Amino acid sequence: DIQMTQSPSSLSASIGDRVTITCRASQGISNSLAWYQQKPGKAPNLLLFAASRLESGVPSRFSGHGYGTDYTLTISSLQPEDFATYYCQQYYSSPQTFGQGTKVEIK
Amino acid sequence: EVQLLESGGGLVQPGGSLRLSCAASGFTFSSYAMSWVRQAPGKGLEWVSGISGSGDRTYYADSVKGRVTISRDNSKNTLYLQMSSLRAEDTAVYYCAKLTGPFYNYYMDVWGKGTTVTVSS
Repeated sequence: DIQMTQSPSSLSASIGDRVTITCRASQGISNSLAWYQQKPGKAPNLLLFAASRLESGVPSRFSGHGYGTDYTLTISSLQPEDFATYYCQQYYSSPQTFGQGTKVEIK
Repeated sequence: EVQLLESGGGLVQPGGSLRLSCAASGFTFSSYAMSWVRQAPGKGLEWVSGISGSGDRTYYADSVKGRVTISRDNSKNTLYLQMSSLRAEDTAVYYCAKLTGPFYNYYMDVWGKGTTVTVSS
């Protein structure tokens, strides 16, 4: 199974901050990586797919980069509605696996 | 509008069985693979099982293999998860999710609101 390691597990940031979350796969996944945002009590919401492609309707302050085993999610200017938990997920091979999540909290 | 609505969750005793359903609408159901993903209380997301659009290919996490069966009825636009020999560690919110293609190696773009399974005596 491909292991997905996210870091950090949590972070505190202020409105307007630039935030970066990292996701590392235990083997190459050829950009088959998605990022999801989840708010308490709600289902996950797709933000990006294919490592860097923005899902329709997602604000452009979200961006993704990466190649091979290392990927990042960046929020260029944190907004109040962005405080949530973020998960990466590889869909390169079965079983599809998630990172452990990064909780973004208000400083 | 694409919608997924899970049902069938509830309280079940250890060793018991439960069948979850996911009613889909707003898209051509048979054209897309589907998955079940769960989230234990206070924990992260765990993929549980997946099925191809035609239903001929199924996939399972090691944690549920042999205890869970995924299936679909494309005539009813409904996805199922039959769970047996349930354990306390199966307690979670179970989400169904639509993949963006007919086979397994696609990402999940639409999620249901989830149904809660509690395994306890």
